[in-house]
Amino acid sequence: SQQGEEDPQALSIQEGENATMNCSYKTSINNLQWYRQNSGRGLVHLILIRSNEREKHSGRLRVTLDTSKKSSSLLITASRAADTASYFCATEATGGFKTIFGAGTRLFVKA
Amino acid sequence: DVKVTQSSRYLVKRTGEKVFLECVQDMDHENMFWYRQDPGLGLRLIYFSYDVKMKEKGDIPEGYSVSREKKERFSLILESASTNQTSMYLCASRSPIGGANTEAFFGQGTRLTVV
Repeated sequence: SQQGEEDPQALSIQEGENATMNCSYKTSINNLQWYRQNSGRGLVHLILIRSNEREKHSGRLRVTLDTSKKSSSLLITASRAADTASYFCATEATGGFKTIFGAGTRLFVKA
Repeated sequence: DVKVTQSSRYLVKRTGEKVFLECVQDMDHENMFWYRQDPGLGLRLIYFSYDVKMKEKGDIPEGYSVSREKKERFSLILESASTNQTSMYLCASRSPIGGANTEAFFGQGTRLTVV
């Protein structure tokens, strides 16, 4: 069963604009992570936010977590063409071993 | 740097063949995972292993088995390949939950086509 669901499924923006992607999940979690995947490649970890954190920053990335709404958002500021990729949220359920991924958001940044 | 290596980038097999997908990691991670990725469905967990010789079914284990004889190697086996197993297969490894670093490290993926 899918734990994380991303929204939107696809997003197209101009270089320099901000991109926001959302993720919703269903059960209690230890943490939520965001990954990036370039076309046809493996996933690369971007940022992890723990269940007791509300906001986290890493360079141009800002992640928020609202455990009461079981949702998270990833903001990429001042986007670049090189940010074009698919972005996935992943959750580790409380008491579980598994990392469960959503279907992803495809981001296209036009130069 | 952590390295997770999958034995093949591209593989073409015939229906009914037994297929082995190999994954090796060099970070002494206890946890290893096999996912398949299909358009619109994201990554779906096939099997995972939390230690040598230990394995657990994921969400879609039917038609697959796994082997973990050594800590660094986790193999996915398609007992009798079928066309609906055509997909991208991704291997990942990770330290156990609760450790300082629980991010998963992925291999580059194996695109399997069953004809």
